[in-house]
Amino acid sequence: EAEVAQSPRYKITEKSQAVAFWCDPISGHATLYWYRQILGQGPELLVQFQDESVVDDSQLPKDRFSAERLKGVDSTLKIQPAELGDSAMYLCASSYRPTGWEQFFGPGTRLTVL
Amino acid sequence: SQQGEEDPQALSIQEGENATMNCSYKTSINNLQWYRQNSGRGLVHLILIRSNEREKHSGRLRVTLDTSKKSSSLLITASRAADTASYFCATVFNTGGFKTIFGAGTRLFVKA
Repeated sequence: EAEVAQSPRYKITEKSQAVAFWCDPISGHATLYWYRQILGQGPELLVQFQDESVVDDSQLPKDRFSAERLKGVDSTLKIQPAELGDSAMYLCASSYRPTGWEQFFGPGTRLTVL
Repeated sequence: SQQGEEDPQALSIQEGENATMNCSYKTSINNLQWYRQNSGRGLVHLILIRSNEREKHSGRLRVTLDTSKKSSSLLITASRAADTASYFCATVFNTGGFKTIFGAGTRLFVKA
C-alpha cells in the first residue's frame, strides 16, 4: 500500500542551527500539506501546496521557515535558525485533491531544539 | 484560533462500552473528517462526512453532522483496548481555496 514518506524521523539540533525535513507524498496526489503538532495539541497547518504552487502559507513563520515543492512531487520544509519553541512533531500529508478526499499522513519528524 | 473544538478533552471507558466524542466549529464547512492518532505516530483517516450528509457509518464508527448547530459527533461502539488513541476532527472550508483546520483532540483510553 502506498505511503507518505518522511525523513528524518527524529532530529535533535541546537538553537540557531538550520534544519530541513523531507516529504515524499503518495504518487498522483496533487495536494501536499505540512503541519506542526505540539505535544497535546492538534496539527496546525503550516503550508499547503497544490502541485508546485503554495495555496496557503498564512500560518508559516516566514522569517525563519520556508517550504518548496519543486516539480510538484516531493517537498522540503526548512527552518533557519531553529528556536527552542520549534520543538514539535512535523507532519506531512497528501491528498488526491484539496477537498472531498482524505489526507494520508506520514510518520512525522520529531524535532527537538536544545 | 482553531476552528474545530472537541469535547471531552479526555475520556476513559471500559472495554465493550461506547465512546462518544463531539466537535464544534465556527464557519460553514465543505466537509468534516475524523482522524485517529496513536501515541507519537501519524494520523489515520477514519471517516469523511460532507456538508449535505447527516450521518455516516463505517464498521463500529458512526458520525453525525448537524450543520445548523455547527457540530459533529463520533461514536465508537463496543470499544476495544486497541481503540486507545487521540481522535481529531478536521473541518474543511472554502476561503477562496480549501483549508483544513484540526481541533485539539479527544484522548480516549479504553481499559481492558
